[in-house]
Amino acid sequence: GQSLEQPSEVTAVEGAIVQINCTYQTSGFYGLSWYQQHDGGAPTFLSYNALDGLEETGRFSSFLSRSDSYGYLLLQELQMKDSASYFCAAPMDSSYKLIFGSGTRLLVRP
Amino acid sequence: DAGITQSPRHKVTETGTPVTLRCHQTENHRYMYWYRQDPGHGLRLIHYSYGVKDTDKGEVSDGYSVSRSKTEDFLLTLESATSSQTSVYFCAIRRSGGDNEQFFGPGTRLTVL
Repeated sequence: GQSLEQPSEVTAVEGAIVQINCTYQTSGFYGLSWYQQHDGGAPTFLSYNALDGLEETGRFSSFLSRSDSYGYLLLQELQMKDSASYFCAAPMDSSYKLIFGSGTRLLVRP
Repeated sequence: DAGITQSPRHKVTETGTPVTLRCHQTENHRYMYWYRQDPGHGLRLIHYSYGVKDTDKGEVSDGYSVSRSKTEDFLLTLESATSSQTSVYFCAIRRSGGDNEQFFGPGTRLTVL
């Protein structure tokens, strides 16, 4: 089967750096995406990695290692507004149907 | 927001009744998706569409049907709602040529009593 595993909860302090890991098992691989979702809101796209390495977008970076079936989302200079759930997701096939991890709830403390 | 709206935004219904949720987009995207979100399960794909009258099943399609007679509308129907279908339903589109980025609608909270 296909699955993505990520920690259920992470807590960090404002201004710090936090890493959210995701390991995946898929029958084919078309890349790894990250989404953010605030309570009561819709998921919003953060990043996508098709190839190994680090992709940086402002305070957020995402890393992929296809040989290890592993990726992570790195959030720097944490702000209170970063408190949200973060999901890794991978397309099941070339039709881009996504399978999601169960989500990591990030709590940023003052 | 990619011009995606969902209706209704909230609905309470009784077991055994039919329910139809509507997703409407204004940008003529080819790919549209229906997901449900439940605590501890993240988002799970119910059905998707890759064009008018072209649809296929996702992970959790049992008890659901879809239709897409126009590019802009993707309908999700629960033929006979059950309490296990109480969930938040999200519609999404994928922009062609994007980094597999999907844009989600605001969601519909459905409660089946």
